Amino acid sequence: GESVGLHLPTLSVQEGDNSIINCAYSNSASDYFIWYKQESGKGPQFIIDIRSNMDKRQGQRVTVLLNKTVKHLSLQIAATQPGDSAVYFCAEKLPDSWGKLQFGAGTQVVVTP
Amino acid sequence: EAQVTQNPRYLITVTGKKLTVTCSQNMNHEYMSWYRQDPGLGLRQIYYSMNVEVTDKGDVPEGYKVSRKEKRNFPLILESPSPNQTSLYFCAIRDRASLGYTFGSGTRLTVV
Repeated sequence: GESVGLHLPTLSVQEGDNSIINCAYSNSASDYFIWYKQESGKGPQFIIDIRSNMDKRQGQRVTVLLNKTVKHLSLQIAATQPGDSAVYFCAEKLPDSWGKLQFGAGTQVVVTP
Repeated sequence: EAQVTQNPRYLITVTGKKLTVTCSQNMNHEYMSWYRQDPGLGLRQIYYSMNVEVTDKGDVPEGYKVSRKEKRNFPLILESPSPNQTSLYFCAIRDRASLGYTFGSGTRLTVV
């Protein structure tokens, strides 16, 4: 899961298994959430998003779940592949006029053969 | 496809020597922003710009300046860099219709 600090949480997953990455967001009024993937040496890339009026959204091999009661977001990756090895972090759109995104610290996913 | 181009990709400099990191976009988006990324701290916003000549501070603006004289460019200026500004920097853009950001490839800055 997410944490703020010097050490990035690491999730080790065997190739072919499903991955679940967790994120606790901060503002109960946030109305939009995004998951990003960042591979080594690259900028963050959009994976999937979800609005606060939904509790689940599916993409290709990825599913995002939103639990507003406990301010929790998760990303599920089905049949994890070596190319899924990266840092994943969530972002929440704060409830202001211009849509600032606040990012979590990230989770390192390592896919083992 | 939205493209965000940052230069340079890597930079090593000495304390106090002014430097500029450039960011340009090809999408005519109004919103541009600079972030720094440090281990375990995630992405923290330095400055953002809503449009030409409209800029404002983010969460960690100390030691940085920006300018937005034209829509496509949003340079980040370090007038007197210090070692605590050693970091990975990202420029991001967003259009009015979208809520997500498109990021550049990053600039790794080391200040010695």
